[in-house]
Amino acid sequence: ETGVTQTPRHLVMGMTNKKSLKCEQHLGHNAMYWYKQSAKKPLELMFVYNFKEQTENNSVPSRFSPECPNSSHLFLHLHTLQPEDSALYLCASSQGLGPERYGYTFGSGTRLTVV
Amino acid sequence: AQTVTQSQPEMSVQEAETVTLSCTYDTSENNYYLFWYKQPPSRQMILVIRQEAYKQQNATENRFSVNFQKAAKSFSLKISDSQLGDTAMYFCAFMSFSGYALNFGKGTSLLVTP
Repeated sequence: ETGVTQTPRHLVMGMTNKKSLKCEQHLGHNAMYWYKQSAKKPLELMFVYNFKEQTENNSVPSRFSPECPNSSHLFLHLHTLQPEDSALYLCASSQGLGPERYGYTFGSGTRLTVV
Repeated sequence: AQTVTQSQPEMSVQEAETVTLSCTYDTSENNYYLFWYKQPPSRQMILVIRQEAYKQQNATENRFSVNFQKAAKSFSLKISDSQLGDTAMYFCAFMSFSGYALNFGKGTSLLVTP
């Protein structure tokens, strides 16, 4: 195991569905991140949480709704998505903000397909 | 925002040979961090090597080394004695000294052949 676990590994959903992505870490880290990885594009930072508080929302559409109930769990709630939202969604964590000082640990991602 | 450019979408190298992946970036900052990440088919992003801009010495991790040219804003990765397990996507990334977000390039797909 990587230390950061993401479920499900694959998800296919219709544009009218509601689904959630889950990320879990047991590394004792306090900061957690959502990144979007689309084909032929650089990874995009979506959200950042530090000690359960959201510190960054990188102009993400409201159809993506993050939730961080505690420092070990991070969710991404999805509703009324568009086909262009199909991508690999990566979760990462670090002991504190400033991953250079503490190091990022990534999960293996959820491959999302919107049909 | 800082821009990271990887000009080689795909590369291939034979086992045991050496390959160099290119990366350039754009920033007005003087202090920052640079990274190379590897993403194998398992999809997990794994840190390969990192460089602090205020250090002149190039970072080295076993078979992986970088050529950091600060004035040219260039940060290339050299993989020596390539192994089949090195087959992966390689991403160059930038982070501000006082920041926490990684800015990634589009990646280079490296194939190591027998």
